[in-house]
Amino acid sequence: KQEVTQIPAALSVPEGENLVLNCSFTDSAIYNLQWFRQDPGKGLTSLLLIQSSQREQTSGRLNASLDKSSGRSTLYIAASQPGDSATYLCAVIKGGSYIPTFGRGTSLIVHP
Amino acid sequence: KAGVTQTPRYLIKTRGQQVTLSCSPISGHRSVSWYQQTPGQGLQFLFEYFSETQRNKGNFPGRFSGRQFSNSRSEMNVSTLELGDSALYLCASSLHASGQETQYFGPGTRLLVL
Repeated sequence: KQEVTQIPAALSVPEGENLVLNCSFTDSAIYNLQWFRQDPGKGLTSLLLIQSSQREQTSGRLNASLDKSSGRSTLYIAASQPGDSATYLCAVIKGGSYIPTFGRGTSLIVHP
Repeated sequence: KAGVTQTPRYLIKTRGQQVTLSCSPISGHRSVSWYQQTPGQGLQFLFEYFSETQRNKGNFPGRFSGRQFSNSRSEMNVSTLELGDSALYLCASSLHASGQETQYFGPGTRLLVL
């Protein structure tokens, strides 16, 4: 059974810092990995999708990497801003069935 | 382009009742997936519908069911509600297949079972 772990569970940083959020998974037979953000009491917003054959994806200040063999992904946030405050979730999509397994998320607070 | 909409946004029910939640996907999207989010279990996949057929199903009891209509709108039903069914229920739509491409989530329906 796929297990997805996100470290740290919570993070509080001053504005301007560069951040690294970690996601690890136990079964490397994945189709892709997706990063989402969730604002309090709301739905998820897709940030980045990395196919299993890719090593990284970039969007603006966000960069996500994938090392399938070691079962790890990292989300790098450059020059953090208060508007980045949210919970960040990673989801690992199983090959074949395409059923996603989500991590518990990293709750990020960026204070001015 | 309108986003994913879910109705109702909030719902209070009592144990033993049943509930139906509705999801309207983004226009042109044919895949709709449902998720349950609780503080204890996190975000868990319920099921996915594509072209009115259930394509994938998560590990939930048969009390949880769903369907999709020809216009891609979807409903999920929970019968014989239990206290543990209290959760935020999210639906997401995508063009073809939820796990293979970007999903767009609705704001969710918050269900409280008393």
